[in-house]
Amino acid sequence: EDKVVQSPLSLVVHEGDTVTLNCSYEVTNFRSLLWYKQEKKAPTFLFMLTSSGIEKKSGRLSSILDKKELFSILNITATQTGDSAVYLCAVGGANNLFFGTGTRLTVIP
Amino acid sequence: ETGVTQTPRHLVMGMTNKKSLKCEQHLGHNAMYWYKQSAKKPLELMFVYSLEERVENNSVPSRFSPECPNSSHLFLHLHTLQPEDSALYLCASSQVAHGEQYFGPGTRLTVT
Repeated sequence: EDKVVQSPLSLVVHEGDTVTLNCSYEVTNFRSLLWYKQEKKAPTFLFMLTSSGIEKKSGRLSSILDKKELFSILNITATQTGDSAVYLCAVGGANNLFFGTGTRLTVIP
Repeated sequence: ETGVTQTPRHLVMGMTNKKSLKCEQHLGHNAMYWYKQSAKKPLELMFVYSLEERVENNSVPSRFSPECPNSSHLFLHLHTLQPEDSALYLCASSQVAHGEQYFGPGTRLTVT
């Protein structure tokens, strides 16, 4: 059965902290792994990863994929209150896209 | 208007009503999707259209009926829904099927 598991389920940190969010997967015919940020309603796209070992970076956010160990991490450095959101991991298989339940990040001033 | 838009943003309907959700994308994408997001559950992919052809139907009850008249518009027709169908319904689009997706703001549906 295809599945995507994210950990931790929730995380509370103080501004300036660095956080690492985890996504592990078992998906047949893996094609890509995507990270989204969902604040109030619509998820917004962050990264798409298809190759192992190549870090994608955007400002304070970065992500890397390990296709051998079947996981990805999303790092956020120097967190800000605006980073508070649910971070969703999704993995594309042959004909489907499977989402994890997300990690709820709360950044306290 | 840019991106992906959805109307209405909120909808309350009785179990005997018929209503439709509308999604429009202004990104020139070729694939469109309907998702259901219930509390404390992962996003559930309902339907995928690529080049106006339905390419996937993930065992969704027949009381949900999608329609894709062209590559920019997607509808979800609703009839005789159940209270457990109350959820946030998200539309998304991507350049190619299952590529990076851009989401609309969603329709919050409540079935009474």
